[in-house]
Amino acid sequence: AQSVTQLGSHVSVSEGALVLLRCNYSSSVPPYLFWYVQYPNQGLQLLLKYTSAATLVKGINGFEAEFKKSETSFHLTKPSAHMSDAAEYFCAVRPNFGNEKLTFGTGTRLTIIP
Amino acid sequence: EAGVTQFPSHSVIEKGQTVTLRCDPISGHDNLYWYRRVMGKEIKFLLHFVKESKQDESGMPNNRFLAERTGGTYSTLKVQPAELEDSGVYFCASSQEDRGPVTDTQYFGPGTRLTVL
Repeated sequence: AQSVTQLGSHVSVSEGALVLLRCNYSSSVPPYLFWYVQYPNQGLQLLLKYTSAATLVKGINGFEAEFKKSETSFHLTKPSAHMSDAAEYFCAVRPNFGNEKLTFGTGTRLTIIP
Repeated sequence: EAGVTQFPSHSVIEKGQTVTLRCDPISGHDNLYWYRRVMGKEIKFLLHFVKESKQDESGMPNNRFLAERTGGTYSTLKVQPAELEDSGVYFCASSQEDRGPVTDTQYFGPGTRLTVL
């Protein structure tokens, strides 16, 4: 069984400040981990994914995430927030084999303060 | 390359009516998934097709939901009769055949927002 917990349904940061969105997972098998983003009136877009290679994963738009097995975490960060980063972010997990379903967290809505 | 498309983008129906949602996956993608997000909650898996076969339908809520993928191309999800709790956003995703160590990304469509009154 797998599950994902995203701490903070709403996060606000000032433009130029560090973005940190938290994700913790639970998995009975080695996981693959994903961050997706949903901009207003759009579908889900993949930001980055961890597939058991490098533990620090770089994604699009300056985002990165670090897989920490000991902490069962996969937090998303960006050094400097832009207004265009305002969106809803979803962490997801799936087993590291097959084309299995994704299990999502409840999402974190990121607001950027000018 | 065209992405995953879904139709309609919005649907408002009354309780007891029937609604059919359509998903066109990325061309060549054998795997097709349906997910749903009820307001304020997490995105939940409904079912998974591999070509025209249902690989996993463990997330389907009840027998009012019927999914098909005739010919292994587009898929439809029918809700009959619709209930108030069926309201939400229905997402479709597709991916290529699994190739071992490299996971195949699920590409999502824009979703269909269903409102049952």
